[in-house]
Amino acid sequence: DAKTTQPPSMDCAEGRAANLPCNHSTISGNEYVYWYRQIHSQGPQYIIHGLKNNETNEMASLIITEDRKSSTLILPHATLRDTAVYYCIALMNRDDKIIFGKGTRLHILP
Amino acid sequence: SQTIHQWPATLVQPVGSPLSLECTVEGTSNPNLYWYRQAAGRGLQLLFYSVGIGQISSEVPQNLSASRPQDRQFILSSKKLLLSDSGFYLCAWRRAGRFSPLHFGNGTRLTVT
Repeated sequence: DAKTTQPPSMDCAEGRAANLPCNHSTISGNEYVYWYRQIHSQGPQYIIHGLKNNETNEMASLIITEDRKSSTLILPHATLRDTAVYYCIALMNRDDKIIFGKGTRLHILP
Repeated sequence: SQTIHQWPATLVQPVGSPLSLECTVEGTSNPNLYWYRQAAGRGLQLLFYSVGIGQISSEVPQNLSASRPQDRQFILSSKKLLLSDSGFYLCAWRRAGRFSPLHFGNGTRLTVT
């Protein structure tokens, strides 16, 4: 698995877009970028994934740079319920062993 | 649809007692199964994963063990709990070999006293 690095914490005002960066400079061509989030005392929840194209779903948007060395998860209108730890992982479909990094703790400020 | 069941939700056990946490998955076959642990205020630590019945890969050589007696059943055990075993234990599953996110259970909060 490619190593990913994320800032340990970020703040975002409620109602604004939260932009969470992830660096994966050693990512291989077959590795997808996955994002999860973990709300306190719950199991992590899948948010979105992508290979090289930008992706959007009902939860978030994922912007992957053209060289695929970094990506940004965008929560378009952050709410207090988006306060969580966000994890970025690079994985191939055939990968069985899945390691999480420390993620980014996102604080949504009222 | 697929569901994952993990129990119990909370558990308080004395030091030196045995442990058995069970996880079952419904609605899929031959999933990859995972056990993670999260100590208070810390990140997710991969403990074990399994790609098939009887196939267990260990990431943490401590006093914990895992077994997969059936295709969709994953059990985490210990013969003698330590204080350091306290934490939030999460079971997860994923379809093998193709795009599939990890799906987590609700977790078991274990306190060893």
